[in-house]
Amino acid sequence: DAGITQSPRHKVTETGTPVTLRCHQTENHRYMYWYRQDPGHGLRLIHYSYGVKDTDKGEVSDGYSVSRSKTEDFLLTLESATSSQTSVYFCATQGEETQYFGPGTRLLVL
Amino acid sequence: GESVGLHLPTLSVQEGDNSIINCAYSNSASDYFIWYKQESGKGPQFIIDIRSNMDKRQGQRVTVLLNKTVKHLSLQIAATQPGDSAVYFCAELRGGSNYKLTFGKGTLLTVNP
Repeated sequence: DAGITQSPRHKVTETGTPVTLRCHQTENHRYMYWYRQDPGHGLRLIHYSYGVKDTDKGEVSDGYSVSRSKTEDFLLTLESATSSQTSVYFCATQGEETQYFGPGTRLLVL
Repeated sequence: GESVGLHLPTLSVQEGDNSIINCAYSNSASDYFIWYKQESGKGPQFIIDIRSNMDKRQGQRVTVLLNKTVKHLSLQIAATQPGDSAVYFCAELRGGSNYKLTFGKGTLLTVNP
């Protein structure tokens, strides 16, 4: 799994609170991605990074921000969580041939 | 709509049978395709990939077929086992896209003992 860890693995929060999810990789991969997975939608790209301090939006970026201050860490922040952001969040890195995924973070926004 | 999709959302097979999971794509510029397997509560796991200059690629018990004429991709699993029960996704990569994959919604494969 390319040494990808995500924290926390589970989180329950209230609407309006900020939430930060962390992705950590040990493979020194340049590209990193945040996806959300919802029934009926599959995996959808939120944001991605193509290097330290280099990030760009994916198809469902509204309400999310990211930061990449080190190669190994890619943070996803929900500035003010909403119930529509209840989902499972996956981080991925781009290896030589393919993308490798972390174990996921299950987020419930009440 | 999705540019990558699956014909069947669920597939149920008997243990030992062969399984075929299908996927359609719409962008003829896509040059790389991947199949992922996702078990319950886990992240997607790479199974096999194929480039657009190939028609077929084989792995261990899995084969991916690519038909560029009709923009169709399939995953064949030989002698399906209970451990193969999972959701299978195809993904499409368009050249020059910073490796951004587009995923299909997935097919749930259930293997009956």
